[in-house]
Amino acid sequence: GAVVSQHPSRVICKSGTSVKIECRSLDFQATTMFWYRQFPKKSLMLMATSNEGSKATYEQGVEKDKFLINHASLTLSTLTVTSAHPEDSSFYICSVHVGGAPYEQYFGPGTRLTVT
Amino acid sequence: GDSVTQMEGPVTLSEEAFLTINCTYTATGYPSLFWYVQYPGEGLQLLLKATKADDKGSNKGFEATYRKETTSFHLEKGSVQVSDSAVYFCALANFGNEKLTFGTGTRLTIIP
Repeated sequence: GAVVSQHPSRVICKSGTSVKIECRSLDFQATTMFWYRQFPKKSLMLMATSNEGSKATYEQGVEKDKFLINHASLTLSTLTVTSAHPEDSSFYICSVHVGGAPYEQYFGPGTRLTVT
Repeated sequence: GDSVTQMEGPVTLSEEAFLTINCTYTATGYPSLFWYVQYPGEGLQLLLKATKADDKGSNKGFEATYRKETTSFHLEKGSVQVSDSAVYFCALANFGNEKLTFGTGTRLTIIP
């Protein structure tokens, strides 16, 4: 599998500020990463597919100007929550697609964002 | 479109009890099926997988068999431990689609 890290693990920010979350693939060159959002006691909601060297593909209903995704290298994707509001508070999880069938994904440990 | 249905939780069992968490799916073609586990405050970990009909995935005492005739992938464990307390997600990935489709998750609590 792939080892995936996220930084920070927890962040508290004030309303109106921007927060950047990093997702790193430590032992695998990932052309594709995914960003998910998880609400308390809920399943994961796919936000976007992050493609190395190109624009991310956002799921319907996800504001691309609010959730900026950059996948500048094969080992790093970043999610920036711009002008954060309390409703953006959530658990954000990234995953790495290791390619080929059976289309396995390996997940990072998640980042808990709290907007005050 | 593809979908995954899991049994509603939460599920509470005593240690050493038998566990079944039901999962059924709807998909075109021949999807790969997965069970992921999420421990408190952590991301998801792949628990087991199966890629074709009648395949049995197994790991850490957990098993699930890919049943195409019933479109099911039920998770079972013969004797659960307190350390198995977590949220379990059933998921599928269809051929040619990198995205995972998740069930809603089942919270499992094991009491000593």
